Amino acid sequence: DIQMTQSPSTLSASVGDRVTITCRASQTISSWLAWYQQKPGKAPKLLIYKASSLESGVPSRFSGSASGTEFTLTISSLQPDDFATYYCQQYNSYSRTFGQGTKVEIK
Amino acid sequence: EVQLLESGGGLVQPGGSLRLSCAASGFTFSNYAMTWVRQAPGKGLDWVSDISGSGGTTYYADSVKGRFTISRDNSKNTLYLQMNSLRAEDTAVYYCAKRRNWNDDAFDIWGQGTMVTVSS
Repeated sequence: DIQMTQSPSTLSASVGDRVTITCRASQTISSWLAWYQQKPGKAPKLLIYKASSLESGVPSRFSGSASGTEFTLTISSLQPDDFATYYCQQYNSYSRTFGQGTKVEIK
Repeated sequence: EVQLLESGGGLVQPGGSLRLSCAASGFTFSNYAMTWVRQAPGKGLDWVSDISGSGGTTYYADSVKGRFTISRDNSKNTLYLQMNSLRAEDTAVYYCAKRRNWNDDAFDIWGQGTMVTVSS
């Protein structure tokens, strides 16, 4: 199975900060990577698909990029609504592995 | 509005069975592959199973293979997950999710989840 290593596990930041979360795949997954946001007690929400494509309705402050097997989610200017947990997920092969999650907390 | 609504969760004893349902609306259900993902209390997301739009192709995580069965009834716009031989480690919120399209397997629409608790 492909392993997804996500870092950091927790991130403390302030409103307005630029935030970067990284996900590394254990083998090549092409660009088949998604990023999800999850708030407590709620279902995950798709933010980015195919590594860098912004899902419809998602604010443009969210962006994704890829370099080989390393993938990055960037929030250009953190907003109060962005404090949540973020997960990466590969869908190059079965099983559809998720990263361990990154909790973005208020500093 | 595109919507998914899970039901069927509850408390079940170890070794027992449960069937989850996911009612879909707002899109042509049979055109989309569907997925079950679970989340144990306080833990991360864990993919469980996938099924093609026709229902002819299915995939399972190793942890549930041989115990869980995914199926769908396209005439009823409903996805199912039959869970047998349940274990304590199957305790989780179970989400159904829709795949984006034929060309991209990201999960773009999620249900609200249904809680399954396996305990004596």
